[in-house]
Amino acid sequence: DAGVIQSPRHEVTEMGQEVTLRCKPISGHNSLFWYRQTMMRGLELLIYFNNNVPIDDSGMPEDRFSAKMPNASFSTLKIQPSEPRDSAVYFCASSPTWLGGGIEQFFGPGTRLTVL
Amino acid sequence: AQTVTQSQPEMSVQEAETVTLSCTYDTSESDYYLFWYKQPPSRQMILVIRQEAYKQQNATENRFSVNFQKAAKSFSLKISDSQLGDAAMYFCAYHGSGNTGKLIFGQGTTLQVKP
Repeated sequence: DAGVIQSPRHEVTEMGQEVTLRCKPISGHNSLFWYRQTMMRGLELLIYFNNNVPIDDSGMPEDRFSAKMPNASFSTLKIQPSEPRDSAVYFCASSPTWLGGGIEQFFGPGTRLTVL
Repeated sequence: AQTVTQSQPEMSVQEAETVTLSCTYDTSESDYYLFWYKQPPSRQMILVIRQEAYKQQNATENRFSVNFQKAAKSFSLKISDSQLGDAAMYFCAYHGSGNTGKLIFGQGTTLQVKP
């Protein structure tokens, strides 16, 4: 299996621009998670989906952030407009199911976002 | 709300020696799961080991083992026979038994392995 795929791996943009991060979960996994990692705040869960439906978006920092999962094999995280404080590594993870806590989440390689 | 604390920002160990990374957590739940993830310089998050709270026996995976103290809410990771490839940031994570899907991570411990 190819694992969780994220694109781009690196993104440099200017403040005010729209940024779209993409994720392809592992085939057959029906739960998908978006995390953000910064030095100050560590790893934070932003939002997660089960069967393409957003379950909890309480971690999404502001209305500038939005996430979609139009089908089982694709998700996007969009920031519009971007700000320098959004600079971070964004991870996507998938899991076979969200039922029960012992199920491993498989992480993608992350997207390093830099907003100038 | 649940919290996870890793009080050691950095640790170092000599190659072939043993090192223990600490993790404490706070929860009111009785059933939950704990994980250790490894993040090498490549950034890839890799599951090292998991522990179910209802199991008294400490989990072991090859050179990696945990010391799970439920009453003390402590979950330390022991790495035996440390190897250069073990150098990474290690994250302790908590997952409740409810259908929340949330992993709560500690701040991480950077492990340096000296040759």
